[in-house]
Amino acid sequence: KAGVTQTPRYLIKTRGQQVTLSCSPISGHRSVSWYQQTPGQGLQFLFEYFSETQRNKGNFPGRFSGRQFSNSRSEMNVSTLELGDSALYLCASSLAGWNTGELFFGEGSRLTVL
Amino acid sequence: DAKTTQPNSMESNEEEPVHLPCNHSTISGTDYIHWYRQLPSQGPEYVIHGLTSNVNNRMASLAIAEDRKSSTLILHRATLRDAAVYYCIPSGAGNMLTFGGGTRLMVKP
Repeated sequence: KAGVTQTPRYLIKTRGQQVTLSCSPISGHRSVSWYQQTPGQGLQFLFEYFSETQRNKGNFPGRFSGRQFSNSRSEMNVSTLELGDSALYLCASSLAGWNTGELFFGEGSRLTVL
Repeated sequence: DAKTTQPNSMESNEEEPVHLPCNHSTISGTDYIHWYRQLPSQGPEYVIHGLTSNVNNRMASLAIAEDRKSSTLILHRATLRDAAVYYCIPSGAGNMLTFGGGTRLMVKP
C-alpha cells in the first residue's frame, strides 16, 4: 500500500512569507502528527490530529498551525517565516495514535528560509 | 516525560549482533518503550515497542529490564543497511512521542 506522502519535498521561502505543507497519510490511518527536525534541536513534536481534531500540541509558537480534513489529509502552515524555521518537516500517520504502536513517517518537506 | 540516556554513537561489524542500550530511569509504569531509527535522508522508521516483556519482530528484539529502567535493542545480524540513528522513546497516554539525540550506529563491512 502507498506510504505517507508529503508535498512539496523541497521549497525555499524568504523571511516574512508563509508556507503550507501537505501530508497524505496511509489509507485508513486517522492520526497524523507533525515534527520539525533541525541539526541543533533534533526531532521536535509539533502537533497531532485525529479525526479532524487537534489532540496534542508541542511547544511551538502560534505561527505554526495545522488542520486535518475529513479524508485524514493534513496540512501545516507556518506564517511570518523566520530564518530559524529552516528545517525538515516530517509527517507521520498511524491508525490510532503514536502511543498505540507504529508511526509511519513520510520523507519530509525540506524548508529553507532565506 | 521520561528522560532517556543513549550512547552518542556505536560501531559494529557487519553480520555481528548489536546491542543498543537505553536508560530511562524515570519511566512511569504505563509508559511503553518505543524504538525508531532514521536512515540518512529519510524519515524515522518504526523498529519495535514494548511494555514489560521482551519483544521480537522481524527487524529486532527488545529486551526490557525487570525494573523497566533500561532496555536494549538487539539487532541479531547487523547489515550495512542498519547504519542509522536509533531513538529510544518511552511514552504513554497524555505524553508526546519525544525524540532525544539517539545513538548513531555505524556498521563496518
